[in-house]
Amino acid sequence: GAVVSQHPSRVICKSGTSVKIECRSLDFQATTMFWYRQFPKQSLMLMATSNEGSKATYEQGVEKDKFLINHASLTLSTLTVTSAHPEDSSFYICSARQGDGPYYGYTFGSGTRLTVV
Amino acid sequence: AQKVTQAQTEISVVEKEDVTLDCVYETRDTTYYLFWYKQPPSGELVFLIRRNSFDEQNEISGRYSWNFQKSTSSFNFTITASQVVDSAVYFCALIFPYSSASKIIFGSGTRLSIRP
Repeated sequence: GAVVSQHPSRVICKSGTSVKIECRSLDFQATTMFWYRQFPKQSLMLMATSNEGSKATYEQGVEKDKFLINHASLTLSTLTVTSAHPEDSSFYICSARQGDGPYYGYTFGSGTRLTVV
Repeated sequence: AQKVTQAQTEISVVEKEDVTLDCVYETRDTTYYLFWYKQPPSGELVFLIRRNSFDEQNEISGRYSWNFQKSTSSFNFTITASQVVDSAVYFCALIFPYSSASKIIFGSGTRLSIRP
């Protein structure tokens, strides 16, 4: 079955530094990937939609300069949290869509727990 | 409006009891897909089921069963003979494949605790 690898699973960083999270589709090409953020005991909030070779589409209220998304290939999308602050601490999870047809599956990565100290 | 409502925030039952997680959705679209995902404490999202809007057949998979009723816009999930390993947060989700955005709309989740 389709597998999405997300790395790292956990990261602790100092305030002011940047952190990069990778999302890879291992056995399929993903023209579209999605990045979500989940606060404790809450649902998943879509941050942005990433299309291969083009700029990401950010949801309202999500800072583009803060959360840099790059989708340079059909199997890799990255989310960089720039100048991280404690309020950026959260669980981030990516999802890759398999194909562009009227029916397609979505596969989720295992998530990254970011703690900014 | 397109929305998924999971009214039950938390449910706690004793092992071996049956439990039903409710999911109600709102949409005017005729073509959509409904999903259930499980999120155990480790955090990953585990796909459980996908159902398209034209298929109202109920489905059973082991101890899991799903009841899709378009007339009431509901897609409820039942676990029979619950086990401690079923403890997790369960999300119901909705997607419109022909929408240009094609975003998954998640419900707020139901935290299920199975007590031994």
